[in-house]
Amino acid sequence: ETGVTQTPRHLVMGMTNKKSLKCEQHLGHNAMYWYKQSAKKPLELMFVYNFKEQTENNSVPSRFSPECPNSSHLFLHLHTLQPEDSALYLCASSQETSASYEQYFGPGTRLTVT
Amino acid sequence: GQNIDQPTEMTATEGAIVQINCTYQTSGFNGLFWYQQHAGEAPTFLSYNVLDGLEEKGRFSSFLSRSKGYSYLLLKELQMKDSASYLCAVRDSNYQLIWGAGTKLIIKP
Repeated sequence: ETGVTQTPRHLVMGMTNKKSLKCEQHLGHNAMYWYKQSAKKPLELMFVYNFKEQTENNSVPSRFSPECPNSSHLFLHLHTLQPEDSALYLCASSQETSASYEQYFGPGTRLTVT
Repeated sequence: GQNIDQPTEMTATEGAIVQINCTYQTSGFNGLFWYQQHAGEAPTFLSYNVLDGLEEKGRFSSFLSRSKGYSYLLLKELQMKDSASYLCAVRDSNYQLIWGAGTKLIIKP
């Protein structure tokens, strides 16, 4: 595997379910991110982890719970979601010590909450 | 507040040139990025500008004017595979990326 991978690619869940999204980066980066992408809206940064420590939580509802067990893996635990949470969830990673430290994105998980 | 503006949609013809503009108002500036995102796929990095001027990379070029809060992405010799959304993002004084909503580029034969 190369780059940033995400599983599952598609997820349909009811409002009472609990599920988790998984992200893995194979680039040796030290920062990882969760974004929400809704149609025709800017990417919304949800969480940032730097060297496994959470450094950013942009007022995300508690029904979204991130976990970063090591610098290569990132999870987003979901419970009691709302229909408006349906979106594409993107994971990204970057190397904070590089000059531009551009972010590398995974293919995303298309989440539908019914 | 912080704001990134770019056109919602543009249409161009195969083989032509198109310029996608981006204007920004952010608290501080630490670089501007352009990403390409094909439908259903991950955004991929295209360019990074931190100094004024033009950066050329093959058929794609990106321009920055920090005094005007303005950038553009120039695509030459358009190909059908260039049909995608193009995202502009600015890194602010806190080193966080502020994203535009993206410009959907439609290429017609």
